[in-house]
Amino acid sequence: GAVVSQHPSWVICKSGTSVKIECRSLDFQATTMFWYRQFPKQSLMLMATSNEGSKATYEQGVEKDKFLINHASLTLSTLTVTSAHPEDSSFYICSVEMGTRGEQYFGPGTRLTVT
Amino acid sequence: AQTVTQSQPEMSVQEAETVTLSCTYDTSENNYYLFWYKQPPSRQMILVIRQEAYKQQNATENRFSVNFQKAAKSFSLKISDSQLGDTAMYFCAFGSYGNNRLAFGKGNQVVVIP
Repeated sequence: GAVVSQHPSWVICKSGTSVKIECRSLDFQATTMFWYRQFPKQSLMLMATSNEGSKATYEQGVEKDKFLINHASLTLSTLTVTSAHPEDSSFYICSVEMGTRGEQYFGPGTRLTVT
Repeated sequence: AQTVTQSQPEMSVQEAETVTLSCTYDTSENNYYLFWYKQPPSRQMILVIRQEAYKQQNATENRFSVNFQKAAKSFSLKISDSQLGDTAMYFCAFGSYGNNRLAFGKGNQVVVIP
């Protein structure tokens, strides 16, 4: 499967600031990446689908102006949480869609804490 | 939209024993994929096993096997010879042909007891 990294693994930021999370596909050129959010002891919630060279597709209820996604290359997608608030504190996970078999390979996740 | 249901919130199993996790899904499609992912305490999501709906043969990966019942829309995971490293949250996921988004169930917590 694909090897996916995320940076940072853990970030603390103050309320009102912005924070950028990077997702890299290390050994696979990913046309499509996904961003998920996960609350403790809950399932993954898809936030958006990130397509290289085009605008991301956001799921219903996800504010695209708050969660900015940029997929500038086949190996890098970024998620920027703008004007962060404590309720944005969560675990954010990216994944890469590999080939045509429907499989997704996940990054290790980023824990965001907004104080 | 497809829904995936996992109804056993937490299960404990003795080391070396077998545990089975259930998953049902709702879809009107005929061709699709099904997956089991595990999420250990590190929170890294790991693909455990994959099944294509058109295949009647149940998928197996070492100690992990599935019982895929297409008519019943059921996709259970059996973990044989459980090991301590199997302690994790297990998520069942559904994927459509032509739609690359996955629908996840709520997860089953499995704890392997030494």
